[in-house]
Amino acid sequence: SQTIHQWPATLVQPVGSPLSLECTVEGTSNPNLYWYRQAAGRGLQLLFYSVGIGQISSEVPQNLSASRPQDRQFILSSKKLLLSDSGFYLCAWSPMGEDTGELFFGEGSRLTVL
Amino acid sequence: GDSVTQMEGPVTLSEEAFLTINCTYTATGYPSLFWYVQYPGEGLQLLLKATKADDKGSNKGFEATYRKETTSFHLEKGSVQVSDSAVYFCALRRGFQKLVFGTGTRLLVSP
Repeated sequence: SQTIHQWPATLVQPVGSPLSLECTVEGTSNPNLYWYRQAAGRGLQLLFYSVGIGQISSEVPQNLSASRPQDRQFILSSKKLLLSDSGFYLCAWSPMGEDTGELFFGEGSRLTVL
Repeated sequence: GDSVTQMEGPVTLSEEAFLTINCTYTATGYPSLFWYVQYPGEGLQLLLKATKADDKGSNKGFEATYRKETTSFHLEKGSVQVSDSAVYFCALRRGFQKLVFGTGTRLLVSP
């Protein structure tokens, strides 16, 4: 069966520090991968998605970047965090080529920037 | 742009009560609609979906009907259980696997 893991689960970082959140998927090949964020009082917002290694699409301009160095690994990064980067970050995957609207989510990473 | 609006929570109910969580959407055309649920300590998972107007999605006793006239997709359950306590997210699909989510509604069910 397929599983998705993301870490760390909780992170408290000072403004201006770097960020790295990691997500890996097991039990499938060539998945579509996604990073979502939920800021306080807002819905889940799609940040990045990837259909293959090295292929990253950004949905909104921001202080973050994403990379996919391996088929089932998706990394969210920032060189210098802002207060507005605080939120709940969710990684998700879906089978390659499918368009059912069903995404499979990790448990999320809560980031607090102080 | 496309958007989803959900009722504010938390919704607090006693076991066996009737549940309604309201969801309305704004979109071009007739997008597929979804309800996702997040149980404590877990990731979001798909609860049900409807792909066209008047479709009814159902799962685990929950139902939602795609109403294009009122642009709504309200979630209902006739008798909630403590185990239904979770956060519920309404969403629409606006492109290839791109979902637009609402803010989520927390449901608390007491024995």
